[in-house]
Amino acid sequence: DAKTTQPPSMDCAEGRAANLPCNHSTISGNEYVYWYRQIHSQGPQYIIHGLKNNETNEMASLIITEDRKSSTLILPHATLRDTAVYYCIVRFHNAGKSTFGDGTTLTVKP
Amino acid sequence: DAGITQSPRHKVTETGTPVTLRCHQTENHRYMYWYRQDPGHGLRLIHYSYGVKDTDKGEVSDGYSVSRSKTEDFLLTLESATSSQTSVYFCAISVFPRTSGSGGTGELFFGEGSRLTVL
Repeated sequence: DAKTTQPPSMDCAEGRAANLPCNHSTISGNEYVYWYRQIHSQGPQYIIHGLKNNETNEMASLIITEDRKSSTLILPHATLRDTAVYYCIVRFHNAGKSTFGDGTTLTVKP
Repeated sequence: DAGITQSPRHKVTETGTPVTLRCHQTENHRYMYWYRQDPGHGLRLIHYSYGVKDTDKGEVSDGYSVSRSKTEDFLLTLESATSSQTSVYFCAISVFPRTSGSGGTGELFFGEGSRLTVL
């Protein structure tokens, strides 16, 4: 599986959009980008994933660059409850190894 | 909810003792994983399974063994626990539709974690 690089921490004001970047320059053509978040010591929670096209669901939007070497997770209106560690991983669609890095700690401030 | 339960949720043991953690799922998903997470760090893959009796190593497999004798259970064993294995252990499954030909999303669902302390 390709490795990812994320900034260790970010701050965001409540109500503003939070844009979390991820670099995955060694991603292969069939690997998907997945995002998860972990609140306190709970198990990570799936947010969104994509292959090439931008994706949106009720939680977030995912923007993937045309060369697929990086992506951005967007939380359009961050709330205090979005304070968490966010993980970007790349993996093949049909499972196999899934390697997590240290993620980005997002702190949403009032 | 993918019906994952981990047991025990908390365990304190002494160095040198064997420990087994259990991950149980109720929906017959093929892929199961064990991760460990140390304070301030991300998750590291220990072992994973892609079917009954089919397992493979992850990035931090030394000192750990696994077994999957039936679809619903994936066991993680520390043959002789050490203090460096004090950690929170998470089990996860990959979720796919069961019918062939239908697209799957492949996301991981995680259990609530098992906190192991080795004294």
